[in-house]
Amino acid sequence: AQSVSQHNHHVILSEAASLELGCNYSYGGTVNLFWYVQYPGQHLQLLLKYFSGDPLVKGIKGFEAEFIKSKFSFNLRKPSVQWSDTAEYFCAVKNNYGQNFVFGPGTRLSVLP
Amino acid sequence: DAGVIQSPRHEVTEMGQEVTLRCKPISGHNSLFWYRQTMMRGLELLIYFNNNVPIDDSGMPEDRFSAKMPNASFSTLKIQPSEPRDSAVYFCASNKGLAPYEQYFGPGTRLTVT
Repeated sequence: AQSVSQHNHHVILSEAASLELGCNYSYGGTVNLFWYVQYPGQHLQLLLKYFSGDPLVKGIKGFEAEFIKSKFSFNLRKPSVQWSDTAEYFCAVKNNYGQNFVFGPGTRLSVLP
Repeated sequence: DAGVIQSPRHEVTEMGQEVTLRCKPISGHNSLFWYRQTMMRGLELLIYFNNNVPIDDSGMPEDRFSAKMPNASFSTLKIQPSEPRDSAVYFCASNKGLAPYEQYFGPGTRLTVT
């Protein structure tokens, strides 16, 4: 069965610091990868997604993620965070054949002004 | 497009009462998912439908929970009888199907069972 792990439960950064959130998945086949963000009190929204092609994916709000197939990883990065990036971030995996999305446990990001 | 619509947005009920949560997926989407989110357990998939047919309900916690999708534009999640431990935010999401499309989430229903 597929599973997704996110290394950090809670990350605290100051504004302008660089961000990297880890995501690893377990599935040997072709996968589609997603990062979602959930701002306080809101629903999940898509940040970016990888289906195929360039493993470096750029998303909204300056976020990017890199798919490294050999490491089964899809880490999320942002060079300079803002207070408004305070949110919970979820990595998700979907294989090419099934319908089910498997979400990681989430990483809470707190950005201090 | 209005996005995924859920109702009610907030529900407060007493233990033992029946609760029905409603979801309207995005038009043209043929897969629908129900999730539950709590601080303790994070985001849990309860059940998902493809073309109105339940595909995987292994996440439904117990028989008190049931879900239906009578047509392509409507789904319900029912809890009968409700218990305080059912208090959570329940999200509905939809997507276009087997192709690698992302899920679109609704605003959620915050359920409080007292």
